[in-house]
Amino acid sequence: DAGVIQSPRHEVTEMGQEVTLRCKPISGHNSLFWYRQTMMRGLELLIYFNNNVPIDDSGMPEDRFSAKMPNASFSTLKIQPSEPRDSAVYFCASTLRGGRNTEAFFGQGTRLTVV
Amino acid sequence: GIQVEQSPPDLILQEGANSTLRCNFSDSVNNLQWFHQNPWGQLINLFYIPSGTKQNGRLSATTVATERYSLLYISSSQTTDSGVYFCAGGGVFYGGSQGNLIFGKGTKLSVKP
Repeated sequence: DAGVIQSPRHEVTEMGQEVTLRCKPISGHNSLFWYRQTMMRGLELLIYFNNNVPIDDSGMPEDRFSAKMPNASFSTLKIQPSEPRDSAVYFCASTLRGGRNTEAFFGQGTRLTVV
Repeated sequence: GIQVEQSPPDLILQEGANSTLRCNFSDSVNNLQWFHQNPWGQLINLFYIPSGTKQNGRLSATTVATERYSLLYISSSQTTDSGVYFCAGGGVFYGGSQGNLIFGKGTKLSVKP
């Protein structure tokens, strides 16, 4: 398996623009997580899905952030409008819940810079 | 929610030295992982270790679930071991499904030649 695939790897955008980050989980995994990493706050969970259904979005910072998982092989995280404080590395991770081994695997991340 | 504390926050080693990193949890966790974030930012899986002891080469890990801590041992450290080491543990159950991974703040390791 190719692992968790995120795109783009790097994104530079102007303040006020819409940004869409994409994630393809590992085939067969049924849970997907979006994390944000900053120097100040470390790795924070934004939202996670189980069987394509959002389970906990309490980490989403505000209404400017939204996430969708239309099917088992694709998820998006959208920021509209973007602000400089959204600059961070965004990670997607997936795992197989319900079994004995629930090891999570991370994508390579998207480095977002909002200027 | 669960709190994860890692120690020490920073560690500087001479190549060849051994080290022990610790992770404490405020509550029971059902899945526990150790990761290495390399200088390029990638999160590399080291161990999935809800309990017991595992070894992989120069690295080994032990989790004592009843006492809510885990240890990562690095022996004969190499410069390529540099980076940040994170532990993360699972949260509450939702309808029988396990919850998310909560991360500690990490231990930044620098191995000098």
